[in-house]
Amino acid sequence: SAVISQKPSRDICQRGTSLTIQCQVDSQVTMMFWYRQQPGQSLTLIATANQGSEATYESGFVIDKFPISRPNLTFSTLTVSNMSPEDSSIYLCSGAYYEKLFFGSGTQLSVL
Amino acid sequence: GNSVTQMEGPVTLSEEAFLTINCTYTATGYPSLFWYVQYPGEGLQLLLKATKADDKGSNKGFEATYRKETTSFHLEKGSVQVSDSAVYFCALTTQGGSEKLVFGKGTKLTVNP
Repeated sequence: SAVISQKPSRDICQRGTSLTIQCQVDSQVTMMFWYRQQPGQSLTLIATANQGSEATYESGFVIDKFPISRPNLTFSTLTVSNMSPEDSSIYLCSGAYYEKLFFGSGTQLSVL
Repeated sequence: GNSVTQMEGPVTLSEEAFLTINCTYTATGYPSLFWYVQYPGEGLQLLLKATKADDKGSNKGFEATYRKETTSFHLEKGSVQVSDSAVYFCALTTQGGSEKLVFGKGTKLTVNP
Protein backbone atom coordinates (compact mmCIF):
# COMPACT_ATOMS: atom_id res chain seq x y z
CA SER A 1 0.00 0.00 0.00
CA ALA A 2 0.99 3.63 -0.42
CA VAL A 3 1.07 6.39 2.17
CA ILE A 4 0.15 9.90 1.05
CA SER A 5 1.38 12.85 3.07
CA GLN A 6 -0.66 15.98 2.55
CA LYS A 7 0.10 19.41 3.92
CA PRO A 8 -0.92 21.70 5.36
CA SER A 9 -3.57 19.86 7.34
CA ARG A 10 -5.45 23.10 7.88
CA ASP A 11 -5.10 26.78 7.18
CA ILE A 12 -6.98 30.03 7.63
CA CYS A 13 -6.49 32.48 4.77
CA GLN A 14 -7.56 35.95 3.79
CA ARG A 15 -9.72 36.48 0.73
CA GLY A 16 -7.80 37.34 -2.41
CA THR A 17 -4.75 35.30 -1.44
CA SER A 18 -3.65 31.90 -2.74
CA LEU A 19 -2.77 28.67 -0.97
CA THR A 20 -0.75 25.76 -2.32
CA ILE A 21 -1.44 22.27 -0.99
CA GLN A 22 1.17 19.57 -1.40
CA CYS A 23 0.85 15.80 -1.66
CA GLN A 24 3.76 13.40 -1.47
CA VAL A 25 3.35 9.68 -2.06
CA ASP A 26 5.87 7.26 -0.63
CA SER A 27 5.77 5.03 -3.71
CA GLN A 28 4.90 5.37 -7.36
CA VAL A 29 1.28 5.73 -8.33
CA THR A 30 -0.16 5.64 -11.81
CA MET A 31 -2.65 8.46 -11.31
CA MET A 32 -3.21 11.30 -8.86
CA PHE A 33 -6.44 13.17 -8.21
CA TRP A 34 -7.65 16.20 -6.30
CA TYR A 35 -11.06 16.34 -4.61
CA ARG A 36 -13.00 19.03 -2.78
CA GLN A 37 -15.64 18.66 -0.08
CA GLN A 38 -17.61 21.80 0.60
CA PRO A 39 -19.55 21.96 3.88
CA GLY A 40 -22.49 19.56 3.80
CA GLN A 41 -21.61 18.35 0.32
CA SER A 42 -20.08 15.28 -1.28
CA LEU A 43 -16.46 14.84 -2.17
CA THR A 44 -16.22 16.18 -5.72
CA LEU A 45 -13.43 15.47 -8.17
CA ILE A 46 -11.61 18.63 -9.21
CA ALA A 47 -9.07 17.21 -11.63
CA THR A 48 -6.70 14.44 -12.55
CA ALA A 49 -3.07 15.48 -12.10
CA ASN A 50 -1.02 14.35 -15.09
CA GLN A 51 2.70 13.92 -14.82
CA GLY A 52 4.59 16.51 -16.84
CA SER A 53 1.52 17.95 -18.54
CA GLU A 54 -1.58 19.99 -17.84
CA ALA A 55 -4.13 18.53 -15.47
CA THR A 56 -7.48 17.27 -16.73
CA TYR A 57 -10.26 19.27 -15.09
CA GLU A 58 -13.81 18.18 -14.37
CA SER A 59 -16.79 20.25 -15.35
CA GLY A 60 -17.05 23.38 -13.25
CA PHE A 61 -13.34 23.61 -12.40
CA VAL A 62 -10.76 25.65 -14.32
CA ILE A 63 -7.00 25.87 -14.37
CA ASP A 64 -6.87 29.58 -13.54
CA LYS A 65 -8.64 28.95 -10.25
CA PHE A 66 -7.08 25.59 -9.37
CA PRO A 67 -3.65 25.27 -11.02
CA ILE A 68 -2.20 21.82 -10.48
CA SER A 69 1.30 20.53 -10.96
CA ARG A 70 2.71 17.03 -10.99
CA PRO A 71 6.40 17.18 -11.78
CA ASN A 72 7.02 13.49 -11.07
CA LEU A 73 5.16 10.28 -10.26
CA THR A 74 5.05 10.83 -6.50
CA PHE A 75 4.37 14.55 -5.96
CA SER A 76 1.58 16.95 -6.81
CA THR A 77 0.39 20.39 -5.76
CA LEU A 78 -2.97 22.11 -5.93
CA THR A 79 -3.20 25.88 -5.65
CA VAL A 80 -6.44 27.57 -4.69
CA SER A 81 -6.11 31.00 -6.27
CA ASN A 82 -7.68 34.35 -5.43
CA MET A 83 -9.61 32.77 -2.61
CA SER A 84 -13.08 33.75 -1.47
CA PRO A 85 -15.12 32.42 1.47
CA GLU A 86 -16.85 30.03 -0.97
CA ASP A 87 -13.54 28.19 -1.30
CA SER A 88 -13.72 27.15 2.35
CA SER A 89 -13.65 23.37 2.03
CA ILE A 90 -11.70 20.23 2.66
CA TYR A 91 -9.28 19.47 -0.17
CA LEU A 92 -8.15 15.90 -0.59
CA CYS A 93 -5.54 14.31 -2.82
CA SER A 94 -5.46 10.68 -3.84
CA GLY A 95 -3.21 8.35 -5.73
CA ALA A 96 -4.13 5.27 -7.68
CA TYR A 97 -1.94 2.27 -8.31
CA TYR A 98 -3.89 0.34 -10.88
CA GLU A 99 -7.22 -0.33 -9.15
CA LYS A 100 -6.08 0.56 -5.65
CA LEU A 101 -6.79 4.07 -4.44
CA PHE A 102 -5.01 5.82 -1.55
CA PHE A 103 -5.90 9.14 0.08
CA GLY A 104 -4.19 11.90 1.96
CA SER A 105 -5.68 13.06 5.24
CA GLY A 106 -7.03 16.27 3.75
CA THR A 107 -6.54 20.02 4.09
CA GLN A 108 -9.18 21.99 5.95
CA LEU A 109 -9.23 25.46 4.40
CA SER A 110 -11.10 28.41 5.89
CA VAL A 111 -11.22 31.69 3.98
CA LEU A 112 -12.13 34.85 5.87
CA GLY B 1 -25.59 11.75 -14.21
CA ASN B 2 -24.09 9.50 -11.61
CA SER B 3 -24.82 10.26 -7.98
CA VAL B 4 -24.79 8.73 -4.52
CA THR B 5 -27.30 9.53 -1.80
CA GLN B 6 -26.19 8.64 1.66
CA MET B 7 -27.93 8.59 5.00
CA GLU B 8 -27.56 11.91 6.77
CA GLY B 9 -25.64 11.91 9.98
CA PRO B 10 -24.35 12.18 12.51
CA VAL B 11 -25.16 8.77 13.94
CA THR B 12 -24.51 8.04 17.60
CA LEU B 13 -24.70 4.49 18.94
CA SER B 14 -23.77 2.60 22.06
CA GLU B 15 -21.14 -0.09 21.90
CA GLU B 16 -22.48 -3.45 20.60
CA ALA B 17 -25.44 -1.80 18.87
CA PHE B 18 -26.45 -2.73 15.33
CA LEU B 19 -25.41 -0.30 12.62
CA THR B 20 -27.04 0.47 9.29
CA ILE B 21 -25.97 3.34 7.06
CA ASN B 22 -28.15 3.65 3.99
CA CYS B 23 -26.75 4.33 0.55
CA THR B 24 -28.59 4.51 -2.77
CA TYR B 25 -27.20 5.39 -6.14
CA THR B 26 -28.05 6.57 -9.62
CA ALA B 27 -25.75 5.48 -12.39
CA THR B 28 -25.54 4.68 -16.05
CA GLY B 29 -24.26 1.27 -16.91
CA TYR B 30 -23.05 -1.13 -14.28
CA PRO B 31 -21.22 0.68 -11.49
CA SER B 32 -18.86 -0.73 -8.92
CA LEU B 33 -19.79 0.26 -5.39
CA PHE B 34 -17.56 1.10 -2.45
CA TRP B 35 -17.56 2.06 1.18
CA TYR B 36 -14.65 4.18 2.37
CA VAL B 37 -13.87 5.05 5.98
CA GLN B 38 -11.96 7.97 7.44
CA TYR B 39 -10.77 7.60 11.01
CA PRO B 40 -9.92 10.79 12.92
CA GLY B 41 -6.71 12.35 11.63
CA GLU B 42 -6.24 9.76 8.91
CA GLY B 43 -6.83 9.51 5.16
CA LEU B 44 -9.76 7.79 3.53
CA GLN B 45 -9.28 4.07 3.19
CA LEU B 46 -11.24 1.43 1.39
CA LEU B 47 -13.50 -0.55 3.72
CA LEU B 48 -15.22 -2.86 1.23
CA LYS B 49 -16.44 -3.04 -2.32
CA ALA B 50 -18.73 -4.94 -4.68
CA THR B 51 -18.41 -4.97 -8.43
CA LYS B 52 -21.62 -6.63 -9.63
CA ALA B 53 -25.20 -7.21 -8.61
CA ASP B 54 -25.76 -9.47 -5.58
CA ASP B 55 -22.09 -9.33 -4.60
CA LYS B 56 -21.49 -8.88 -0.89
CA GLY B 57 -18.48 -6.91 0.25
CA SER B 58 -17.23 -7.53 3.78
CA ASN B 59 -14.38 -6.41 5.99
CA LYS B 60 -13.79 -5.89 9.73
CA GLY B 61 -17.31 -7.14 10.52
CA PHE B 62 -18.93 -4.69 8.11
CA GLU B 63 -21.02 -5.92 5.20
CA ALA B 64 -22.83 -4.40 2.23
CA THR B 65 -24.74 -6.13 -0.56
CA TYR B 66 -25.03 -4.71 -4.07
CA ARG B 67 -28.78 -4.58 -4.76
CA LYS B 68 -29.45 -3.66 -8.36
CA GLU B 69 -33.23 -3.85 -8.03
CA THR B 70 -33.27 -1.21 -5.29
CA THR B 71 -30.05 0.56 -6.43
CA SER B 72 -28.75 0.31 -2.89
CA PHE B 73 -25.55 -0.61 -1.05
CA HIS B 74 -26.37 -0.28 2.64
CA LEU B 75 -23.57 -0.70 5.16
CA GLU B 76 -24.24 -2.92 8.18
CA LYS B 77 -22.43 -4.16 11.22
CA GLY B 78 -23.94 -6.38 13.87
CA SER B 79 -22.06 -5.04 16.87
CA VAL B 80 -20.17 -1.77 16.69
CA GLN B 81 -17.15 -0.87 18.78
CA VAL B 82 -15.80 2.47 19.97
CA SER B 83 -12.98 2.04 17.45
CA ASP B 84 -15.53 2.14 14.61
CA SER B 85 -16.10 5.84 15.25
CA ALA B 86 -15.28 7.47 11.93
CA VAL B 87 -16.80 9.05 8.85
CA TYR B 88 -18.13 6.59 6.29
CA PHE B 89 -18.44 7.41 2.58
CA CYS B 90 -20.41 5.47 0.01
CA ALA B 91 -19.03 5.78 -3.53
CA LEU B 92 -19.33 4.43 -7.03
CA THR B 93 -17.40 4.32 -10.24
CA THR B 94 -18.65 3.46 -13.68
CA GLN B 95 -15.23 3.35 -15.26
CA GLY B 96 -13.21 0.21 -15.70
CA GLY B 97 -10.88 1.04 -12.83
CA SER B 98 -11.73 2.39 -9.41
CA GLU B 99 -9.88 5.64 -9.77
CA LYS B 100 -12.58 8.22 -10.55
CA LEU B 101 -15.11 7.99 -7.76
CA VAL B 102 -18.45 9.66 -7.17
CA PHE B 103 -18.96 10.03 -3.43
CA GLY B 104 -21.86 10.50 -1.08
CA LYS B 105 -21.72 13.24 1.55
CA GLY B 106 -20.37 10.99 4.28
CA THR B 107 -21.92 9.84 7.55
CA LYS B 108 -20.20 10.52 10.84
CA LEU B 109 -20.54 7.65 13.29
CA THR B 110 -19.79 8.02 16.98
CA VAL B 111 -19.84 4.93 19.17
CA ASN B 112 -20.01 5.50 22.92
CA PRO B 113 -18.76 2.97 25.48
